[in-house]
Formats: sequence, C-alpha cells, structure tokens
Amino acid sequence: ETGVTQSPTHLIKTRGQQVTLRCSSQSGHNTVSWYQQALGQGPQFIFQYYREEENGRGNFPPRFSGLQFPNYSSELNVNALELDDSALYLCASSPGENTNEQYFGPGTRLTVT
Amino acid sequence: AQTVTQSQPEMSVQEAETVTLSCTYDTSESDYYLFWYKQPPSRQMILVIRQEAYKQQNATENRFSVNFQKAAKSFSLKISDSQLGDAAMYFCAYRSAPHDMRFGAGTRLTVKP
Repeated sequence: ETGVTQSPTHLIKTRGQQVTLRCSSQSGHNTVSWYQQALGQGPQFIFQYYREEENGRGNFPPRFSGLQFPNYSSELNVNALELDDSALYLCASSPGENTNEQYFGPGTRLTVT
Repeated sequence: AQTVTQSQPEMSVQEAETVTLSCTYDTSESDYYLFWYKQPPSRQMILVIRQEAYKQQNATENRFSVNFQKAAKSFSLKISDSQLGDAAMYFCAYRSAPHDMRFGAGTRLTVKP
C-alpha cells in the first residue's frame, strides 16, 4: 500500500509568480485536504476535495485554488505569490469526507523571495 | 470560532519517564473530535490518538493516553515510558465540521537519554 506522496520536496519562487504543488493520495482514498504550515505554527486548513469537487474551504483568498483528478490525486495552485506564502504545504488523504482517518504526506517546503 | 491552545511551546522528559502535554480548546459545539498528532523532523504528521467528545472514556493507545475534561475543554496527552523516538513536535487538533480541522501551535518534546 503506497502512502501519501507530495512533489516537489522543496521549491523556491519569486514574489508574483505562480506555483503548483502535487499530491498523490493513499490507495483507496477519495478525499484530499490541503494545509499551510507556517514556520513555528500549526497547520491551517486551506481546502478539501472529495470526488473531484471542492467541498470545504478555510480562510484563504481565491488565489489559492486546487484540482482533484479522477485518480484522486490533487494539485494546489497559488497565484500572485506573496512573501507570507512561504510555508510547508501539507496534503492529507482520507477514505471519505470523514477526516478522522487522515494520512499526511511529507509536505512541500515553499520559499517565496 | 473554535481555537486550540497549547500553552507549552517546549517540554523535556527523561527517557523512560512520563510527560504530559497540555491542550485547551474553545467551542460552542457539543459534538466534535479531538486529536494529537506527532510531527518528527521528517515533517510527516502522524496521528497519535483520537477522542470523540461524546465518549466519556479516555482514549488510550499503548504508551499514549489522554485526559479529556469536556466541561473544562481540556485535552492533555500523557506519554508513559518515554522513548528517544518520541522526540517531535506534538500538535493538538479539533474538528467539528466535516472538513475543517483546527490545530494548536504545537509543543516541541525533547527526550533526554
């Protein structure tokens, strides 16, 4: 059974650019949630995708968007990058909308300069 | 808004000893779930233990147990027989809505040999 994987591991972007982060969910999981973890803080919920539809969103602006594909992998897109977007981005998959069984990936470290 | 507070930024314990990590939360909901996650230097969040608010019995997973005080909105984690591998950041988390998990700022646990 393959766990949750994320790519890339690290990424450096310039302010104003756009970035796409990728997540492969665990086998059999149809739900993916994305979190932003700033340095020294706990993760903050960005949004969740269930069966290719966004079905929940945290307090993040529209320049944070996502996709989920038929194989349940997911992308997080961030437009017009700001310095404060520098963070660890975590993806978590679960076997349903119930996030009580949530398995996290190792994260993508994004640095915006 | 639901908030999760971890008042101990850092804790230290001697190997084989017991340590308790504190967590309080604020909510007006009656039905919710509480979690403790471990984040080692590898960055991958791992679920340690989970508690359903409607259950009065405290959850236990091997060396890990919780003290859930619903009226006081307190949810502490006790680690018995601490091991070097327990060293990590520990995050307390709360969930009531299906999609939105709220995390505390974390407690860094050091285990001394």
